[in-house]
Formats: sequence, structure tokens, C-alpha cells
Amino acid sequence: NAGVTQTPKFQVLKTGQSMTLQCAQDMNHEYMSWYRQDPGMGLRLIHYSVGAGITDQGEVPNGYNVSRSTTEDFPLRLLSAAPSQTSVYFCASTYASRHPKQGQDYGYTFGSGTRLTVV
Amino acid sequence: GNSVTQMEGPVTLSEEAFLTINCTYTATGYPSLFWYVQYPGEGLQLLLKATKADDKGSNKGFEATYRKETTSFHLEKGSVQVSDSAVYFCALSEENTNAGKSTFGDGTTLTVKP
Repeated sequence: NAGVTQTPKFQVLKTGQSMTLQCAQDMNHEYMSWYRQDPGMGLRLIHYSVGAGITDQGEVPNGYNVSRSTTEDFPLRLLSAAPSQTSVYFCASTYASRHPKQGQDYGYTFGSGTRLTVV
Repeated sequence: GNSVTQMEGPVTLSEEAFLTINCTYTATGYPSLFWYVQYPGEGLQLLLKATKADDKGSNKGFEATYRKETTSFHLEKGSVQVSDSAVYFCALSEENTNAGKSTFGDGTTLTVKP
């Protein structure tokens, strides 16, 4: 059981280049998300998806695109890389269950991250 | 909007010391609360969770109790080990909203010395 797989693990881009960060999960989770992690700033949500064909913006979506053509895959595209996009990117997936008395009950499974440097 | 505030680090303890990492939150309704742990060079791992008031989440000797009256979810461990050295994140997910939109604290770095 691989969980959440992210590729590549490391990437260096020049300003203006484009690239796609890949994310795949094999747990049949409905929900998938992309976060970026910057020193002292915790994790910030870029985009998320509640199912195949459905995506929405998070807190910091500018400069990034996503698509969700299948349940398993949720790639993140950098359209024109900028130094401000230097960060560690994490993909995560989760399920959600709702019981009338227990409320939501879920938790993320994270990928191992992609360290991106834009020069 | 939602927010999570963690005690600032870094925190340095000796082995077998008692650990507390404070976490308070702001959210509407009854959010689900989580603690994640990140070891060097790795992604975050879910450590424990609580989904309603007064629930206690526990795992690997760590505990946290969902306190609605103080909007808190403090992480505790009675006796830390060197292997507990990591960054700890408190997070919440708002009630009655789509999953996949958690709000995270800034993280607290714990170093345990032998």
C-alpha cells in the first residue's frame, strides 16, 4: 500500500519555466489537497478537490493550476515559476465520514513532499 | 476565518521530561482537531485526533483533550524520548464543510536531548 506518492522529490527551475508536480493516491480517498510549507508559516492550502472533476481554490492559489480527472491523481501545475514559489510542496488525501452523533471523522495522509527551488 | 495558534518553539527537553505543547483555535461550530508530526525530511503524519468536545485523542504515549470551553487542544506526553524530536503541528477542520481544507498552526519544533 503506497499511500500518497509525490514526484519529483527535488526540483530546480529557472524563473518563467513551467512544470507539473505529480501526486497519486491508492486509498480511494475522495478528497485531495495541495499545501506549501514555508519556514515559520506552517502549511498553507493552495488548491483542493472534493472528487474527480471538482476543484477549488485555497488560501494561496495564484500561479498554480490543478485538475482532477481521476480519483487517484491530482497534479499541481506551476504556470510560470517565480522565486516566491520556492517552497516545499505537500500533497495530501483524506476521506470524510459523517455520523449524526460523532461529526466528521477523518485525517490526512501526506506525501513525502517536493522541495522546489526557483532561481 | 479559522485560525490555529501554537506555542512558539523551539522546545528543548531532556529525555524522560514531561511535554506540553499548547494549541488554541478559533472556529465556528464544532471543528475536528488534529495533531500531526513531521520528522526531518519527511511529510506530516497524523498523530492523533478528536472530533467532539471532551474527546481525548491518544497515540504513542501522546494525548490531547478537546476543550470547547477554552478552545484548546494541548498536546502532552509524560516521558519524552530522543526519537520524539520532530516538528508538531496542530490543525483543525471546520464542522459541516468539505474535507480537504484544514487550517494548520505554524508548528513547534521539539528537540529531546539524551
